[in-house]
This record gives sequence, C-alpha cells and structure tokens, in this order.
Amino acid sequence: QKEVEQDPGPLSVPEGAIVSLNCTYSNSAFQYFMWYRQYSRKGPELLMYTYSSGNKEDGRFTAQVDKSSKYISLFIRDSQPSDSATYLCAKANDYKLSFGAGTTVTVRA
Amino acid sequence: DAEITQSPRHKITETGRQVTLACHQTWNHNNMFWYRQDLGHGLRLIHYSYGVQDTNKGEVSDGYSVSRSNTEDLPLTLESAASSQTSVYFCASSENPNQPQHFGDGTRLSIL
Repeated sequence: QKEVEQDPGPLSVPEGAIVSLNCTYSNSAFQYFMWYRQYSRKGPELLMYTYSSGNKEDGRFTAQVDKSSKYISLFIRDSQPSDSATYLCAKANDYKLSFGAGTTVTVRA
Repeated sequence: DAEITQSPRHKITETGRQVTLACHQTWNHNNMFWYRQDLGHGLRLIHYSYGVQDTNKGEVSDGYSVSRSNTEDLPLTLESAASSQTSVYFCASSENPNQPQHFGDGTRLSIL
C-alpha cells in the first residue's frame, strides 16, 4: 500500500468554480502535510504546509486535515485559468516526504 | 535569492552510457533528495543525503548512485543508462527532512 493515495484526475472546471482535491494517508507518524503546485515543465512549488487538524487558509486556498480519518484536502475558491496545473499532496514519512501521484486540474475560461 | 539549479535541462543519450545529472543549491540545506517523475507514479525517491558524506537509498535506487562531497551539490549518476530510466528527474533540498522541500526545475532525460 502506498503511503499517500491521491484521487486520480484529471479535473476540468469552469472559471470561478470551487476545486476540491483529496488524499488519504496510512501512517499516523510524522504528521506534517503539504500541497504542491506544479506547472508544466517546472518543478513543484510549495502551496500550503500544515501540521494541525482543521483548516488553514491562504487567500483562495484552504488546506484541510482530518487526522481521525487520515484524510487531507485542498480547496481552491474562485478558480482562475492560472490555477491550471498539477497538484500534489505530500506527507512527512520517517524523515523523508511521500507524495501522492498528482491531480491535473484545468480551469476553463 | 536562494535557489536549486539542475543541469542539463534536457539530455538525450544511448543505452549503456554513464550519465551524470547535476544539482546545486544555495539554500545551505543539509538535506538533499533526488526524485524521478513518471506518469501515473508521481514523485518517487531515488537517493537522499542528510549531510556531507551521507547518502541513502530510496525506493527506486537500482541503477543510480550519488555522492555528497560538499553541502551545495548532490550529483546523480546513472551507471549504465537503460531505456526504463527515461524520465524527468527532480532535485530538492530542505532545512528539516520532515518539512517542505524546495525543488529545481528538473532534467528531462531520454535514453534511446
């Protein structure tokens, strides 16, 4: 079983819609969680970082962690065409990071 | 601004050749990581280092090696390139191994 499982995509939404991305994890140790955004032909860039249960907001982005069900989510409000990218969830795992496979999101103008 | 630089950005080579991909970071981070990214697999860890002279195998280390002689550089070597190693390779570094990593922009490697 993979350490982090991410909902497969791709997702295509109209501009202004809410984008919902989800991952589950298996190991309850090292509870540090991240979301990365990756544009085509570029490296992943950190979008959100959290280690607490509940919600963390940064502008149009909200990261949500539910430790009881081992579920992490990312919500993008008022999505823009510039949000079109691949989103990867990650979790600390024994002094390394484990990544989900990524979900490609397209926001249609 | 601190950054991670990978070179070359693109490379085409033949099976059986030795290939070295460079990674240089100016964050002064002790922790450095090499990943490969393939469709359907996400980022898979190849090798990592927690400091000078320290190297460790990741989940897909067969056919790859690294060496760490200073803080800034972690070159990745493919000893005898195979077509299955065609991929995009990313280098990353972090201040703490359980915390977010900074990534380079990748090397796209094709092995014919």
